[in-house]
Amino acid sequence: DGGITQSPKYLFRKEGQNVTLSCEQNLNHDAMYWYRQDPGQGLRLIYYSQIVNDFQKGDIAEGYSVSREKKESFPLTVTSAQKNPTAFYLCASSGTGGRRHFGDGTRLSIL
Amino acid sequence: AQKITQTQPGMFVQEKEAVTLDCTYDTSDPSYGLFWYKQPSSGEMIFLIYQGSYDQQNATEGRYSLNFQKARKSANLVISASQLGDSAMYFCAMREGRSGRANSKLTFGKGITLSVRP
Repeated sequence: DGGITQSPKYLFRKEGQNVTLSCEQNLNHDAMYWYRQDPGQGLRLIYYSQIVNDFQKGDIAEGYSVSREKKESFPLTVTSAQKNPTAFYLCASSGTGGRRHFGDGTRLSIL
Repeated sequence: AQKITQTQPGMFVQEKEAVTLDCTYDTSDPSYGLFWYKQPSSGEMIFLIYQGSYDQQNATEGRYSLNFQKARKSANLVISASQLGDSAMYFCAMREGRSGRANSKLTFGKGITLSVRP
């Protein structure tokens, strides 16, 4: 079955630590996205990538970094510069039309 | 100004009844698309229905239909014959620009919580 796989499902970060969230897709989509969701809120765009080796900042990119070395993979690193990283992170991909296909998400918490 | 507005704080509906979830949007682009997603407590985002700005008819997908009123800039989701499994958060989202554009952004509303009572 085609889809988006995010791992891990739960992640804990210590102070001053960088952590990386994994996102893999087998839908052959060019575009991939990372969203952050805080409790009771909508989704806010962190970074997006339209094609391999290219990505753009979204609305809340500070404290995050990404890479897109392969079409299938779009990992997100939450750096120590992100002072309030506790949130639910959703990865998505899209083909033409703009409909996002989402992974099951990663819940990140501070230890 | 917010591009997507969902103002209902929380909705309750009796099982087997219909419910309407409101969404208004703001854009000056003549070409756009509107999406509804469902997010259960487990967190995954489930696509429900899509309406393009040039579509002549309201979109329908099973028990879901979209009441699209272009002049009012509203795209309300109607769920018929509610089921207990419909209890979730529902998000309206808009894509501005033609479909197929590689950099089309999707703007989400803040969501509406729906609770279905047995």
